[in-house]
Amino acid sequence: DQQVKQNSPSLSVQEGRISILNCDYTNSMFDYFLWYKKYPAEGPTFLISISSIKDKNEDGRFTVFLNKSAKHLSLHIVPSQPGDSAVYFCAAALSQGNLIFGKGTKLSVKP
Amino acid sequence: NAGVMQNPRHLVRRRGQEARLRCSPMKGHSHVYWYRQLPEEGLKFMVYLQKENIIDESGMPKERFSAEFPKEGPSILRIQQVVRGDSAAYFCASSPGGAYGYTFGSGTRLTVV
Repeated sequence: DQQVKQNSPSLSVQEGRISILNCDYTNSMFDYFLWYKKYPAEGPTFLISISSIKDKNEDGRFTVFLNKSAKHLSLHIVPSQPGDSAVYFCAAALSQGNLIFGKGTKLSVKP
Repeated sequence: NAGVMQNPRHLVRRRGQEARLRCSPMKGHSHVYWYRQLPEEGLKFMVYLQKENIIDESGMPKERFSAEFPKEGPSILRIQQVVRGDSAAYFCASSPGGAYGYTFGSGTRLTVV
């Protein structure tokens, strides 16, 4: 039973446009959400996070939106750059710090 | 300030052998987490440790897998009598506490032949 779902395995976007990556979760006890970026043969790199008491967090080109009633979060990347091409993982945290990951979305940004 | 260090980066074992994966957390981090990523899958939580204590091992397979984080030295994930299905990337993460400041290592890629 997947508690964190990323329903799009891949996404292709033109350079300069917006990339929107989506994530749904089922457990209302999650209190912290994170996005990680992963290149092949490397570990996940932290990108941005949001606490369950907020609905938006912004860091440069990256913005995460949280809709608790819909149990949905999304990552917006504006403008998208070819260097953003990677697999993006959504993760949800319980209080101890164990992270529950989605299966990832492979983003390709085309020049 | 070095990040989370995992070694070896690649490990090849024959079926039935033992695999030992090491993880040195970031300086100042006392919480260590191990995750496994199977091909085409997300990362799956295995075990959470603090120094000399296993806090949560709910994600560990019941047999052949064990983990420790001794008072001195790195955290060790041990897999006894490896099988082909153990082939995966194993990632270690450390944090100063909870999900804040969570940092992953580059992983150990285990191949069982």
